[in-house]
Amino acid sequence: NAGVTQTPKFQVLKTGQSMTLQCAQDMNHEYMSWYRQDPGMGLRLIHYSVGAGITDQGEVPNGYNVSRSTTEDFPLRLLSAAPSQTSVYFCASSSGTGQETQYFGPGTRLLVL
Amino acid sequence: AQKVTQAQTEISVVEKEDVTLDCVYETRDTTYYLFWYKQPPSGELVFLIRRNSFDEQNEISGRYSWNFQKSTSSFNFTITASQVVDSAVYFCALSEANSGGSNYKLTFGKGTLLTVNP
Repeated sequence: NAGVTQTPKFQVLKTGQSMTLQCAQDMNHEYMSWYRQDPGMGLRLIHYSVGAGITDQGEVPNGYNVSRSTTEDFPLRLLSAAPSQTSVYFCASSSGTGQETQYFGPGTRLLVL
Repeated sequence: AQKVTQAQTEISVVEKEDVTLDCVYETRDTTYYLFWYKQPPSGELVFLIRRNSFDEQNEISGRYSWNFQKSTSSFNFTITASQVVDSAVYFCALSEANSGGSNYKLTFGKGTLLTVNP
């Protein structure tokens, strides 16, 4: 049971490039979320999904796309990277039952030059 | 809109001191959940506690204790006899609950950097 995994761990992009941050969980969780962490800002919700085929925007969705074709995977796409997207990105999942909490992946550190 | 305020940006203590991290929240929901997470220098997020809005009972886990007061919208975290390994950023977070009682959208505070010096 690997929990929540994220790849890559670190990535450098040039402005305008696109990339996909991968997130996978093996706990059969319905709920998955993406957060970004910036210095002094805490974590902010980008997008979330309440099940395969269902996604919605969080607090800071601009510049990011998501899709959820399977329960296990929830990739985050940057279509045209900007320096303002330099951040640490965390993926999280939860089962949705009343006593469950969110489990976080190890994070992806992204630098956009 | 939900909001979590951690007014203490940084705290520095000497080992064995007690330290309290403050958390004040705002929400219009009657049902909600409060969390504390620890982020050590290695960067991962470690879940510490989850508390629902129905349960104002304080909780103690070893050297950690939490004081939830609905009347003041606060959920403070105390570390007793701090240790160097407690050095980390601590986040307080708030979650709305959907009709099923689950939680999946966290609103985080900006975090408090705790440094415990030997």
